[in-house]
Amino acid sequence: GQNIDQPTEMTATEGAIVQINCTYQTSGFNGLFWYQQHAGEAPTFLSYNVLDGLEEKGRFSSFLSRSKGYSYLLLKELQMKDSASYLCAVSNSNYQLIWGAGTKLIIKP
Amino acid sequence: IAGITQAPTSQILAAGRRMTLRCTQDMRHNAMYWYRQDLGLGLRLIHYSNTAGTTGKGEVPDGYSVSRANTDDFPLTLASAVPSQTSVYFCASSDSSGGDYNEQFFGPGTRLTVL
Repeated sequence: GQNIDQPTEMTATEGAIVQINCTYQTSGFNGLFWYQQHAGEAPTFLSYNVLDGLEEKGRFSSFLSRSKGYSYLLLKELQMKDSASYLCAVSNSNYQLIWGAGTKLIIKP
Repeated sequence: IAGITQAPTSQILAAGRRMTLRCTQDMRHNAMYWYRQDLGLGLRLIHYSNTAGTTGKGEVPDGYSVSRANTDDFPLTLASAVPSQTSVYFCASSDSSGGDYNEQFFGPGTRLTVL
């Protein structure tokens, strides 16, 4: 089967750094996406990795290891507005996105 | 219209009723998708369409049907609603003509309650 695993919930402090992990097993691999979803809103795109390594975009970075079926999203200088769910999704051999259940990130002052 | 719109925003429906959720995009994306999102579960694909005139079944298609008469519109129909179809429904689209990269853009969602 295909599955994406990520922690259900994480808590971090404003101004700190947090790493959200994602492991996957899918039929084929055509890239991994991270999306952010605030409560009651639609998911919005954060990052895309298709090659091994780190992609940096401002305060957010995403890492991929294809051999390990592993990715992480790194959020630096956390702000209260970063409180949201973070969704990991893998594009499989049919170019369909397989979604994890999401990690709810709670930021405390 | 900018991006993807969905209607209605929310709906309360009696079990057994027929309901169509509307989705329209103005980005000329060839691919469109319907997902449902339930607490504790990831987004689950109901149906998809890779191009106008074609549709396919996703992970949870039972009880739902779709049509894709043109590029912009992708309605989702519940023929006879049941309480287990209570969920938040998201429509999404992507431009899958460019190879591997298929970022999906989401509509604002429809919150459906079936009583």
